[in-house]
Amino acid sequence: GAVVSQHPSWVICKSGTSVKIECRSLDFQATTMFWYRQFPKQSLMLMATSNEGSKATYEQGVEKDKFLINHASLTLSTLTVTSAHPEDSSFYICSVGRGEGNTIYFGEGSWLTVV
Amino acid sequence: GDSVTQMEGPVTLSEEAFLTINCTYTATGYPSLFWYVQYPGEGLQLLLKATKADDKGSNKGFEATYRKETTSFHLEKGSVQVSDSAVYFCALSLSGGYQKVTFGTGTKLQVIP
Repeated sequence: GAVVSQHPSWVICKSGTSVKIECRSLDFQATTMFWYRQFPKQSLMLMATSNEGSKATYEQGVEKDKFLINHASLTLSTLTVTSAHPEDSSFYICSVGRGEGNTIYFGEGSWLTVV
Repeated sequence: GDSVTQMEGPVTLSEEAFLTINCTYTATGYPSLFWYVQYPGEGLQLLLKATKADDKGSNKGFEATYRKETTSFHLEKGSVQVSDSAVYFCALSLSGGYQKVTFGTGTKLQVIP
């Protein structure tokens, strides 16, 4: 069964509004989660590392005030795209490492369309 | 910086055809290499991995060999099935699972009956 659950899978929002995407680890605790995004015909790019109980670490070029990450519990990290614009339309996906072999598990991903 | 280059798709094959998806990488240090697969409507799943030179990862009939001399990790399968239709991502990680993963752009494979 699924190890990581992401919600929603598809979301359409109006320009200027905010949208929240959730990433949940199922049946295990995750102190660290990762958020990626993929623009059309481009690679999946790491946006930020979400740390439970502390501030997220953002990759260079990612606006931390625009992409708010909250990792309030050991099973949930949220990504909020604030004041969304059409150029934020993208595929967002989270991942979690687990186990002795540090196997990485990914969520289902979320397609965001800003109109 | 680290990067992964994989062949662009879509790749369309008939059932039972031979599959190759090319992947090359550049990295500082000694990366672990991965192939991930994303079936329609699902998340990314690890298909196979190799952690050092000359290692061969294999799973579900897919294979890929870590070639340090050519910095490549090509994905192959001898006989594809319709159920293999998906998007395949080549990726690397410098420090194993908990560090960031650098992905290729993904290659969409469509297998027709």
